[in-house]
Amino acid sequence: AQKITQTQPGMFVQEKEAVTLDCTYDTSDPSYGLFWYKQPSSGEMIFLIYQGSYDQQNATEGRYSLNFQKARKSANLVISASQLGDSAMYFCAMRESPNFGNEKLTFGTGTRLTIIP
Amino acid sequence: DGGITQSPKYLFRKEGQNVTLSCEQNLNHDAMYWYRQDPGQGLRLIYYSQIVNDFQKGDIAEGYSVSREKKESFPLTVTSAQKNPTAFYLCASSIDSGVVVSDGYTFGSGTRLTVV
Repeated sequence: AQKITQTQPGMFVQEKEAVTLDCTYDTSDPSYGLFWYKQPSSGEMIFLIYQGSYDQQNATEGRYSLNFQKARKSANLVISASQLGDSAMYFCAMRESPNFGNEKLTFGTGTRLTIIP
Repeated sequence: DGGITQSPKYLFRKEGQNVTLSCEQNLNHDAMYWYRQDPGQGLRLIYYSQIVNDFQKGDIAEGYSVSREKKESFPLTVTSAQKNPTAFYLCASSIDSGVVVSDGYTFGSGTRLTVV
């Protein structure tokens, strides 16, 4: 079974609009972390935002926020006021606790976001 | 500045050849990882190492080998046994893979391997 599911292979969004990228996850570990990475066409992976399973509030980093719905096992990335430079691949990833023997990062298949001027 | 250096950026391999991808970090990170990226499949873990002289197979280790003789270095060899090696390879490191769940990874800029 997929641990991280990103159901949107590609999205087109008008510049300055907000965009939500979907991510659902599957784990029985009570302690885990969720990450979002951005991958521009150059290939490097840029860390955007992190949410811990015990965090009470949704994480925010500038224009990025994470809509964390624990009961639904959902961790959607919200980008406000999109810019042309936001065009890239976006990956959701999860890291479980060492006690579950799977502390490595597991990635989803990604969403290609294209911002239209 | 600290970071991860992958080399070369582009690599071409003939059928039947072994090639080695370099990954060096000066972040004093304990754990290092190799991922393979194919279009539409996200990143898949090849090998990882939590300490020097120790490493474990990931999800797609067949046809690959690694070594971890120094904390800073984690080279990946793509052997002739890897039937479809053309892909983008990313190296990453983290402070400690065994304790703190919140630590993210630092990635290198990747090596694009093409079989010719």
